[in-house]
Amino acid sequence: QSALTQPASVSGSPGQSITISCTGTSSDVGAYNYVSWYQQHPGKAPKLMIYEVSNRPSGVSNRFSGSKSDNTASLTISGLQAEDEADYYCSSYIRSNTVIFGGGTKVTVL
Amino acid sequence: QVQLVQSGAEVKEPGASVKVSCKTSGYTFTGHNIHWVRQAPGQGLECMGWVNPNTGVTKYVEKFQGRVTMTRDTSFSTVYMELSSLISDDTAVYYCARDLGYNYGRPLDYWGQGTLVTVSS
Repeated sequence: QSALTQPASVSGSPGQSITISCTGTSSDVGAYNYVSWYQQHPGKAPKLMIYEVSNRPSGVSNRFSGSKSDNTASLTISGLQAEDEADYYCSSYIRSNTVIFGGGTKVTVL
Repeated sequence: QVQLVQSGAEVKEPGASVKVSCKTSGYTFTGHNIHWVRQAPGQGLECMGWVNPNTGVTKYVEKFQGRVTMTRDTSFSTVYMELSSLISDDTAVYYCARDLGYNYGRPLDYWGQGTLVTVSS
């Protein structure tokens, strides 16, 4: 099972909106509405930001939203803030009853 | 509050084994699977598999089958991950993480702080 495909980097100015894509196949992203997104600051553990494509855990800002179309999922960060600068990883449930991750996207706030 | 606290950093020689622990608290230990995810220096996240703390049932990613063993001790609400036949490419930070549940597609909602395992002669 290959990793999901994410852009290496995305950047935006404070206040802008950015979108990170996560492309898989009909065996993972396209097969289930079980895409999650994680935020990871340097030297820290990942933090769950989105699950089941578009659900936010308690405490996660509503500036973060998720969606999916066919084999591609997306994470949108609106009203970009300096604290959003981090690495972001998507993941998908797969048939073997585990999960796979994307390669990660570095978000830079200009 | 939910906490996962991992054991400290390890340095191992090639060919050796390493065992990392993950002590949980703040929730019902047997109610959630625990996954192990590793991250090589400067690289992305890689799922290794999970253990069901209630039954002891495990699911290993094919890449690690035969080399990884995940166990649990319900008396101490602790899970363990042992990786054998270490090579330099196993140098990574190893994380344990709680699985929200199968019905949600196994998102990982709480993570340990990570354990750096360095494989070097």
